[in-house]
Amino acid sequence: GQNIDQPTEMTATEGAIVQINCTYQTSGFNGLFWYQQHAGEAPTFLSYNVLDGLEEKGRFSSFLSRSKGYSYLLLKELQMKDSASYLCAVTDGDYKLSFGAGTTVTVRA
Amino acid sequence: IAGITQAPTSQILAAGRRMTLRCTQDMRHNAMYWYRQDLGLGLRLIHYSNTAGTTGKGEVPDGYSVSRANTDDFPLTLASAVPSQTSVYFCASSPRNNSPLHFGNGTRLTVT
Repeated sequence: GQNIDQPTEMTATEGAIVQINCTYQTSGFNGLFWYQQHAGEAPTFLSYNVLDGLEEKGRFSSFLSRSKGYSYLLLKELQMKDSASYLCAVTDGDYKLSFGAGTTVTVRA
Repeated sequence: IAGITQAPTSQILAAGRRMTLRCTQDMRHNAMYWYRQDLGLGLRLIHYSNTAGTTGKGEVPDGYSVSRANTDDFPLTLASAVPSQTSVYFCASSPRNNSPLHFGNGTRLTVT
């Protein structure tokens, strides 16, 4: 099985930076995904990491350390529309994708 | 518009009844998945199919069955619904293993 941990909630101010951490333990590893999910909607894909290092996509960046079983999603220049849940998901050695419980980010004006 | 369609959007079902949640995709994706999402537990995989004609069990398969007769359709059946199956159900697809998932809009199911 897989164990994926991320904080339940985070609050930040508009224009600030927030870092959402994710730690995992899996049987094999074939990549880590981050998804965004607004309330009442379906998750949408944000980023994918399979090698160690930082992947940057505009205001969002994702980092992976395979040796530490650790990733983070960095959201810069926060906007009100970034208020959502952020889901960390890991693909194991059999290519099964499992999700963490999600981190709800609230952006305040 | 290409994507995944789930039906119904929501349903209230009496315990003991049989129910099939429908999922259709027109992207010709090989892999399809069913997840349930419950508050505090996140998305949990129920069943998956890597290609038409094959299916596999996920993390929480008990009480559910699936079939994959063709590439486009992946229905989820609850043979005899129980209140613990009250949840939001998401169908998803991907072109291949380890590709990003495309999700349907979900079915909100309440079993009374």
